[in-house]
Amino acid sequence: GNSVTQMEGPVTLSEEAFLTINCTYTATGYPSLFWYVQYPGEGLQLLLKATKADDKGSNKGFEATYRKETTSFHLEKGSVQVSDSAVYFCALIDSWGKLQFGAGTQVVVTP
Amino acid sequence: DSGVTQTPKHLITATGQRVTLRCSPRSGDLSVYWYQQSLDQGLQFLIQYYNGEERAKGNILERFSAQQFPDLHSELNLSSLELGDSALYFCASSVDFGYAGNTIYFGEGSWLTVV
Repeated sequence: GNSVTQMEGPVTLSEEAFLTINCTYTATGYPSLFWYVQYPGEGLQLLLKATKADDKGSNKGFEATYRKETTSFHLEKGSVQVSDSAVYFCALIDSWGKLQFGAGTQVVVTP
Repeated sequence: DSGVTQTPKHLITATGQRVTLRCSPRSGDLSVYWYQQSLDQGLQFLIQYYNGEERAKGNILERFSAQQFPDLHSELNLSSLELGDSALYFCASSVDFGYAGNTIYFGEGSWLTVV
C-alpha cells in the first residue's frame, strides 16, 4: 500500500535559518505530491504541490521538487521566520485518487 | 481561505450526546471528504462523497454517519459520543476524485470536545 514517511519533529531552528523537512513515499503508479501546513489552532492549508517527476512546487518561499528516482519530496525554505512555526504534512494522491498523509513534522522557529 | 466552510468551529458536548457537523465545499467541487485529526491517531480518513453518493469509506465508526445533499453540502453526524471522539474534524473538497491530479482543499475544521 501507499505510505508517506516524514522526518520526526520537533525541528527547532532560529529565525533566518535554512529549513529542510525530509519526505519519502511509497506508491504504485504515478502519484501527485503535496505539502500541507497547519498553523497553531488552525486548519490544514495546501502549501504546494507537484504532479509529475521533476516538477517543483513553490509558495511563500517554500519549495519542493518531485524526485521520482529517490521517491522524495523534501520541503525547503531558505530563511524561516517565526511565523513559519507550524506542523507540516507531506502527502500523496495515488493514481486512484487516494490521499495519504505523513505523520507531520512540527517546526518551531525562535527569534 | 480555501473556500471550504465548516460549522461550527468549536463545540463542547457531553458523553452520549449527538452532534452534527456541517460542511460547504468550494464552489464547483463535487467531492467531499471527512477526516478526523486526534493527537494519538493523526489524520484519519473517514468517508468521501461525490455528487451525493458515497464513494469511499475509511476508518469511520458505526456511530458516525454522513451524507451529501443535492446542494452538495455535507453533514457528519456523530452519535453516542465518547471521550475518545474529541478531535478536530476536517471537511475537504475537490472537483473530482479518483486520479492523481486531483487537488483536495481542506476547511479550517470543527473542534469537538466531549466531556
